[in-house]
Amino acid sequence: AQSVTQLDSQVPVFEEAPVELRCNYSSSVSVYLFWYVQYPNQGLQLLLKYLSGSTLVESINGFEAEFNKSQTSFHLRKPSVHISDTAEYFCAVSGTNDYKLSFGAGTTVTVRA
Amino acid sequence: DTGVSQDPRHKITKRGQNVTFRCDPISEHNRLYWYRQTLGQGPEFLTYFQNEAQLEKSRLLSDRFSAERPKGSFSTLEIQRTEQGDSAMYLCASSSSGSGNIQYFGAGTRLSVL
Repeated sequence: AQSVTQLDSQVPVFEEAPVELRCNYSSSVSVYLFWYVQYPNQGLQLLLKYLSGSTLVESINGFEAEFNKSQTSFHLRKPSVHISDTAEYFCAVSGTNDYKLSFGAGTTVTVRA
Repeated sequence: DTGVSQDPRHKITKRGQNVTFRCDPISEHNRLYWYRQTLGQGPEFLTYFQNEAQLEKSRLLSDRFSAERPKGSFSTLEIQRTEQGDSAMYLCASSSSGSGNIQYFGAGTRLSVL
């Protein structure tokens, strides 16, 4: 079984400042890793994923995450946030031969002008 | 590709009533999942279908919960004799085999049990 710990429940940040959301996972098997974003009253949107290959993955809107196997982490970063990045962010893990995703409790990012 | 569609978006019901939610997956996806999300928490896996076969249902929260996927297309999630503790967002997701378990979610059905 896999599990995820998101170390920060709330992250306030000023516009154009950098942000890092921390995610650690636990698994005895190889994993796939995901970040999803959820805007108020909406479903989850896939932000980025690590399946294999390069440990640094990027999204089209400036987010990046790095898979660190030795530290069992998949932290999400953005060098300069916008007001529109205000949302809840979920880290998720799946075993490579599994079907279900296990989610962290989420991190609420609030971007202030 | 119209994405995963869920209906209704919101459901308000009285305790003891039965409710049914519908999910239409992305058309070429053969896998379908149901999750439940309560306030302040991440989604919690409930059940999984590959085509029409329900391959995992042990996570359904009680025998009041049941899900079907006739003909491997849309799916329904039914809750019988609803309780106030059933109030939550119910999310549906779909994926295709061999896609690295990349799941695409619908907007969810928010259930409020009064």
